Amino acid sequence: AQSVSQHNHHVILSEAASLELGCNYSYGGTVNLFWYVQYPGQHLQLLLKYFSGDPLVKGIKGFEAEFIKSKFSFNLRKPSVQWSDTAEYFCAVNTGRRALTFGSGTRLQVQP
Amino acid sequence: GAVVSQHPSWVICKSGTSVKIECRSLDFQATTMFWYRQFPKQSLMLMATSNEGSKATYEQGVEKDKFLINHASLTLSTLTVTSAHPEDSSFYICSASREDTGELFFGEGSRLTVL
Repeated sequence: AQSVSQHNHHVILSEAASLELGCNYSYGGTVNLFWYVQYPGQHLQLLLKYFSGDPLVKGIKGFEAEFIKSKFSFNLRKPSVQWSDTAEYFCAVNTGRRALTFGSGTRLQVQP
Repeated sequence: GAVVSQHPSWVICKSGTSVKIECRSLDFQATTMFWYRQFPKQSLMLMATSNEGSKATYEQGVEKDKFLINHASLTLSTLTVTSAHPEDSSFYICSASREDTGELFFGEGSRLTVL
């Protein structure tokens, strides 16, 4: 069975700081990788996804993620965070058209 | 973009009653829908996979008689929490897999509080 690990449970940054959230998965085959964001009181929104091709994926709101196959990682990055980026971030994995397996989430708090 | 709608967005019920939550794909057909449960400050846990016209597939530890899932059409799946108890209080989220592309879209979630 596949699993997803997010090692940072709670991250506090000041505005303009750079962000990197870790995500590692365990599955030996081909996977699809996702990052979702959940703003307070709102539903999940897709930030970016990787299916194949260029391992550096650019998403919405200035986020990007890099797929490193040898490390089974898909870390999320943003060069300069804003207060509005305060939210919960979930890494997720699936194979084919199956259900997503989510990581435990990382709560990001950006201080103005 | 594609839209998935859940109703109701929040519901409060008495212990022992049943509650139905609907998940609709508004502008696409979804052969497969997924139901998740999210406890406060925790991740989403897959409860079951709902397939149109067939029985749902439940994850280990999820009681199929307690969480009844019906996927009667390509745009609607329902989750009924039967004889709800306070421990069933949670945030229930559905996602729909677009039939033509396989892309997943999430509903807004339904917050259930059982008194």
